[in-house]
Amino acid sequence: AQSVTQPDIHITVSEGASLELRCNYSYGATPYLFWYVQSPGQGLQLLLKYFSGDTLVQGIKGFEAEFKRSQSSFNLRKPSVHWSDAAEYFCAVGGTGRRALTFGSGTRLQVQP
Amino acid sequence: GAGVSQSPSNKVTEKGKDVELRCDPISGHTALYWYRQRLGQGLEFLIYFQGNSAPDKSGLPSDRFSAERTGESVSTLTIQRTQQEDSAVYLCASSLGGGGWGGANVLTFGAGSRLTVL
Repeated sequence: AQSVTQPDIHITVSEGASLELRCNYSYGATPYLFWYVQSPGQGLQLLLKYFSGDTLVQGIKGFEAEFKRSQSSFNLRKPSVHWSDAAEYFCAVGGTGRRALTFGSGTRLQVQP
Repeated sequence: GAGVSQSPSNKVTEKGKDVELRCDPISGHTALYWYRQRLGQGLEFLIYFQGNSAPDKSGLPSDRFSAERTGESVSTLTIQRTQQEDSAVYLCASSLGGGGWGGANVLTFGAGSRLTVL
């Protein structure tokens, strides 16, 4: 069975500080990995995805994530956080099997001025 | 259409009533998904349709929940005899396909239907 763990329920960072959100997955084969962001009152928006190739992927809004197979991780990073980044972030895993994506429980990011 | 459309955006109902939530996916998307998001929690998978194949109903929490999809178009999620624990935002998403190709797994979400059961 596929699963995703986001160990941090809530993170607070100062504006301009760097950010790393953790994601660990369980999947029996090569996974497809995603990060989605949900701003207050908004729907989910795709930030970035990993399918194959370069393990460091770039996304929108200055975010990047690194796939580490040995650690079963796909952590999201941003070098300098902006106040508008305050939102909930969801990691998801899928694959070539005929199954829907499995989402983690989310990490709520708060940005302090 | 240009995006995934869900209706109603908000629904308040009394315990024991039936509700129907509608999802209109992006034209050409063969896969359609329903997820549930309870307040302060993550996304809980409910059901997944892929083309004309039998749907994956493994996430439906009870037999009070059912969903239908006509071909590759509109889907309706029905909750019978609603309970207070059914209160949540119900999210619909669609994608080009459900597997075999990574790009097909990129989901586009609707804005959700917020259900409140009194």
